[in-house]
Order: sequence, then structure tokens, then C-alpha cells
Amino acid sequence: GESVGLHLPTLSVQEGDNSIINCAYSNSASDYFIWYKQESGKGPQFIIDIRSNMDKRQGQRVTVLLNKTVKHLSLQIAATQPGDSAVYFCAGGYYGGSQGNLIFGKGTKLSVKP
Amino acid sequence: NAGVTQTPKFQVLKTGQSMTLQCAQDMNHEYMSWYRQDPGMGLRLIHYSVGAGITDQGEVPNGYNVSRSTTEDFPLRLLSAAPSQTSVYFCASSSPDSSLLLHFGNGTRLTVT
Repeated sequence: GESVGLHLPTLSVQEGDNSIINCAYSNSASDYFIWYKQESGKGPQFIIDIRSNMDKRQGQRVTVLLNKTVKHLSLQIAATQPGDSAVYFCAGGYYGGSQGNLIFGKGTKLSVKP
Repeated sequence: NAGVTQTPKFQVLKTGQSMTLQCAQDMNHEYMSWYRQDPGMGLRLIHYSVGAGITDQGEVPNGYNVSRSTTEDFPLRLLSAAPSQTSVYFCASSSPDSSLLLHFGNGTRLTVT
């Protein structure tokens, strides 16, 4: 069935290092992917998105890479800071579609060591 | 703007009790949805709405009811609470032109004993 998953449930990095969080998806029809960040006790917040007609998209200190051949995407965080400590979710769906088609992965917990 | 507001923040129910989780948004978003978050399970869609008067079921709708009488509000009703409904519940909203860019509330933590 349809699924969006993450390779590692936890990731620990040193402050200042780069972080890479991976995600795999199974539905090749998904054409839109989003990364959300969830801090403790709060709801998820949008970080960055990418459509399937792109391989890479950059934001402020974050980059998302999409490899459609192997159905894999990654979130790269440059110069990781303590404030980046959170759970990160990838989600896949259809661009312009309803929430009914949006599937969330299980999340990776990022811990940043000072 | 307050964004998406969920009340209450915490709730404890006994098995069989009913309650309504409230969700309100002030962004004039047409789309709203409810998710539950369980450890190791990610976010699972319960019900969603693409506008006032329109609702649809998500992945895990059993045991929950919704209605959407206004654009602003999207309450989630538990008719007869069960321990399996112990979870953190998130409400989200979005606009049609960015339908999957969800704005989430800060959640309601529900415990059913």
C-alpha cells in the first residue's frame, strides 16, 4: 500500500555540523512532497516543499533533494543549531489535491549536541 | 492572527464518555482536517473538510464525528471514548491554492482510562 517512511527514527548531530534526514516513498504517483518540523509540545510547522518536476530546492539553511528514480527525498540542514532539535516529518501527496491524499512519514527525531 | 486554536490542551475521559475537541482558525482557510498522532505512527488523518457543509473520512475515522457549519470551526466529536483513542489530536487548516501546506494547532492530548 501507500506509505511514506523515514530511514532512521533518531539522529544526533553536533552543533554546527550539517544534518541529513532521509525519507522514502512508495507511491510513484505522488508529485508533491513537504517537510514539517515539530517541536516538543507544538504542532508541526511547514519547512520546505518540492514538486516532482524539481530535483532540488533550497530555503534558508535547508535544502530538499528529490530522487524520483529511487523514490527518495532528503532534508539537509546546514550548520545545525540547538533550535533545530525537533521531530521532522516528510509528507507526500498530489499537488493541489486534498488532505485526503497526503501521507505522513513516521518522523525522525533530531537531537543537536552543543 | 491567532492561526489555528485548539481547546482543550489536555483532557482525561473515562471509557464511554463523550466529548468534543474544538478547533478554530482565523485565516479564512477553506480546508480543515483532524489528525491523530501516536508514538511511532506519525500523523494519521481522521476527517477532513474542503468547505462549510462538506466533510469526508480519512484513514482512521471510526469512533469520530465531524461537522463543518462555518468556515472558522471544525469540531471533532468522540461519541463513546475508548482507550484506543488515547492520543494527541491535531487540527490543521489550509487554503485551496496551497492545499497541502497545513497550518497546525498545538494539539489536544487526550487520555481515555
